[in-house]
Amino acid sequence: EAQVTQNPRYLITVTGKKLTVTCSQNMNHEYMSWYRQDPGLGLRQIYYSMNVEVTDKGDVPEGYKVSRKEKRNFPLILESPSPNQTSLYFCASSPSSQGRNEQFFGPGTRLTVL
Amino acid sequence: GENVEQHPSTLSVQEGDSAVIKCTYSDSASNYFPWYKQELGKRPQLIIDIRSNVGEKKDQRIAVTLNKTAKHFSLHITETQPEDSAVYFCAASKTSNYQLIWGAGTKLIIKP
Repeated sequence: EAQVTQNPRYLITVTGKKLTVTCSQNMNHEYMSWYRQDPGLGLRQIYYSMNVEVTDKGDVPEGYKVSRKEKRNFPLILESPSPNQTSLYFCASSPSSQGRNEQFFGPGTRLTVL
Repeated sequence: GENVEQHPSTLSVQEGDSAVIKCTYSDSASNYFPWYKQELGKRPQLIIDIRSNVGEKKDQRIAVTLNKTAKHFSLHITETQPEDSAVYFCAASKTSNYQLIWGAGTKLIIKP
């Protein structure tokens, strides 16, 4: 089944404890992206990647890191999480090289930083 | 950079009536305008999209119109049903970077 997966789905952590949220897609998509969703603010892009080893900042990159060492995986790293990073996070992928821009979203990761 | 504004933030309509959600964008180079629907507790999913070379696109009860001169586009839902209740997001992007800029979302409530 073609899909985008994220793990974990729920995470409660404490300030300063490094964490990684994994994202994987099995559709051979070139484009991948991370968003955070907060009430009243919609979807805000954190980082995106046009292809392997190519990543760019989105609108709210501060406090986050990403890597794209292989096409299918795009992990989101919070080196030192803070309470203002409590949010719902979505990973998405898109077959941009085919000229289509539809983004396929993962199920979301709800992160709470205490 | 691109900015997308979406109105209204909440829309309540009677079942069977039509609903219209409007978005404006700032970058005239934007050429792709999708609409996503997010049901409660679910992920956003594409429901319809339009490219700048057309002015209108329909898919059953859903239609999107684009006015490039005024830089706005709208989502029209006719004969609304309870399952249309959700948050709807508009977005805009340009081919050069495929980065989607999103509106803040509209919560659509269908009253029985």
